[in-house]
Amino acid sequence: TQLLEQSPQFLSIQEGENLTVYCNSSSVFSSLQWYRQEPGEGPVLLVTVVTGGEVKKLKRLTFQFGDARKDSSLHITAAQPGDTGLYLCAVPYSSASKIIFGSGTRLSIRP
Amino acid sequence: NAGVTQTPKFQVLKTGQSMTLQCAQDMNHNSMYWYRQDPGMGLRLIYYSASEGTTDKGEVPNGYNVSRLNKREFSLRLESAAPSQTSVYFCASSVAVLYGYTFGSGTRLTVV
Repeated sequence: TQLLEQSPQFLSIQEGENLTVYCNSSSVFSSLQWYRQEPGEGPVLLVTVVTGGEVKKLKRLTFQFGDARKDSSLHITAAQPGDTGLYLCAVPYSSASKIIFGSGTRLSIRP
Repeated sequence: NAGVTQTPKFQVLKTGQSMTLQCAQDMNHNSMYWYRQDPGMGLRLIYYSASEGTTDKGEVPNGYNVSRLNKREFSLRLESAAPSQTSVYFCASSVAVLYGYTFGSGTRLTVV
């Protein structure tokens, strides 16, 4: 059983549309991170959220940490082809010296 | 800005062969990590080194060994490669988990 469940697994939408992807767990976390991975590259950190209910914005991307710190969402406004990639959520685990990743949402934006 | 450098980028091995994946970071990070990425399974932690001189097992350590050679370098060794070890391997480093990881660009390994 995955500690982090990401949904949907795959999403293909038209350029200009809005979308939301989710990261859920039954556990409480001290913080949560979102990464984006492009083909042939390693993941790149987008944001870290640490407070329940926290909202962070990165241009057209809005990240929210759930009030109970068990889940998070990523909303993209007016998606562009450059947003294409694998979006991964991740949380500190065990001794907090390491991170566990969800299996990701693969996003494709059609021109 | 080198960041995290992994070598090689691609490798094909025959079952039973051995090889070492190299990783070096130039950011003076204390912690370094090795993950493998397989379709539908996300990134799974193989081994990590929280600081120079220490190494610990992650979720999937069987079949692998690691060496933290110094603060900059963390290598991953496959002693007897198996087809189940076909994967993309990523090295990462971090100053602290809260600040996230910096990843290398990966090594695509095929074992035939």
